[in-house]
Amino acid sequence: KNQVEQSPQSLIILEGKNCTLQCNYTVSPFSNLRWYKQDTGRGPVSLTIMTFSENTKSNGRYTATLDADTKQSSLHITASQLSDSASYICVVSAVDYKLSFGAGTTVTVRA
Amino acid sequence: EAGVVQSPRYKIIEKKQPVAFWCNPISGHNTLYWYLQNLGQGPELLIRYENEEAVDDSQLPKDRFSAERLKGVDSTLKIQPAELGDSAVYLCASSTGARNTGELFFGEGSRLTVL
Repeated sequence: KNQVEQSPQSLIILEGKNCTLQCNYTVSPFSNLRWYKQDTGRGPVSLTIMTFSENTKSNGRYTATLDADTKQSSLHITASQLSDSASYICVVSAVDYKLSFGAGTTVTVRA
Repeated sequence: EAGVVQSPRYKIIEKKQPVAFWCNPISGHNTLYWYLQNLGQGPELLIRYENEEAVDDSQLPKDRFSAERLKGVDSTLKIQPAELGDSAVYLCASSTGARNTGELFFGEGSRLTVL
């Protein structure tokens, strides 16, 4: 069983709308959590990193949250743009530095 | 600064043929990863190098897959013979070191199609 579960698997939103992606993990002991954005045909690129003590972190229109108690993270996209169409992958690092990848959420933004 | 460079970007071969992928990491990055990514899935680790040493190759199918990282810089991933199920994207990534919170920098991937 994958230690990182993401939902939804995919979603479609209209340009200008907001959306929230979820990441639940069972990785323990936890070190940090990163959200990556992967454009079609490209490699993933890091958006944010969350450590144990951080609850919220923003990167432009992307805001990530972390609840280390419930082992949940979310990525909120505000005022979506066509360029936000991509796959968003949650990656959790354990203290032994092993990385666990989620399957990703595919976001499609339509005009 | 140049990113992680991979080649070829696309490769189409018939089953049972050999194939090789090449990766040049970001200069100064000691840690190099090879991942396999199937459509709609997250990357799966094949092998991780710390300099020249393969420190995690537990998920590498050693009967047909091999990898090397001579001189701790460039790396090559080989499949021989290829099977239909090997069709996927092979991603190379590098980082300043596994033992930190450093992010992984990925190449654009090599898409393999086995016919």
